[in-house]
Amino acid sequence: RKEVEQDPGPFNVPEGATVAFNCTYSNSASQSFFWYRQDCRKEPKLLMSVYSSGNEDGRFTAQLNRASQYISLLIRDSKLSDSATYLCVVNGVRFGAGTRLTVKP
Amino acid sequence: DTGVSQDPRHKITKRGQNVTFRCDPISEHNRLYWYRQTLGQGPEFLTYFQNEAQLEKSRLLSDRFSAERPKGSFSTLEIQRTEQGDSAMYLCASSLEARRGEKLFFGSGTQLSVL
Repeated sequence: RKEVEQDPGPFNVPEGATVAFNCTYSNSASQSFFWYRQDCRKEPKLLMSVYSSGNEDGRFTAQLNRASQYISLLIRDSKLSDSATYLCVVNGVRFGAGTRLTVKP
Repeated sequence: DTGVSQDPRHKITKRGQNVTFRCDPISEHNRLYWYRQTLGQGPEFLTYFQNEAQLEKSRLLSDRFSAERPKGSFSTLEIQRTEQGDSAMYLCASSLEARRGEKLFFGSGTQLSVL
């Protein structure tokens, strides 16, 4: 089993839609969790950390479920500019394969 | 520009040749990571340094790969006797060690093509 697994998608959604991605991890002792965004042919960039109590940054909400060993990312009111690959990261350095999102007009 | 820089941006080489890439991290960051990424996949961890010490190396990394960070600043990644399967984007990232987990800052990568 991979350390970090994500649904690869692609997710194709209309503008304004709400979309959610999950990411499961195998190491129950994992302590830190992040979401990164990667645009086509660009390097990954930090989107947000994921805290135990859940956290929100504008249209983005991240949550952690330790019991089921997954993290989630919710994007509300999606914009064309949200089109990218979203990567989850566990323990700072282990990346999932990424979930590709395309937001269409 | 005070971000992570990588050199070269692109490298084309023939199978069997050796290649070396360089990464200059953000100056105050004590941790430096190397990743490899192929199309449609997430970054695959290769190795990381804390200052000049190489603390972890992926089991997937063959002995043709070697990385150094001699003075705890810049790092080099060398691939000996390149194979076509080595073709990928090689990403470097740096971070400041933190209790709640490091936030990684990536360079733009070196795209390697082995012919």
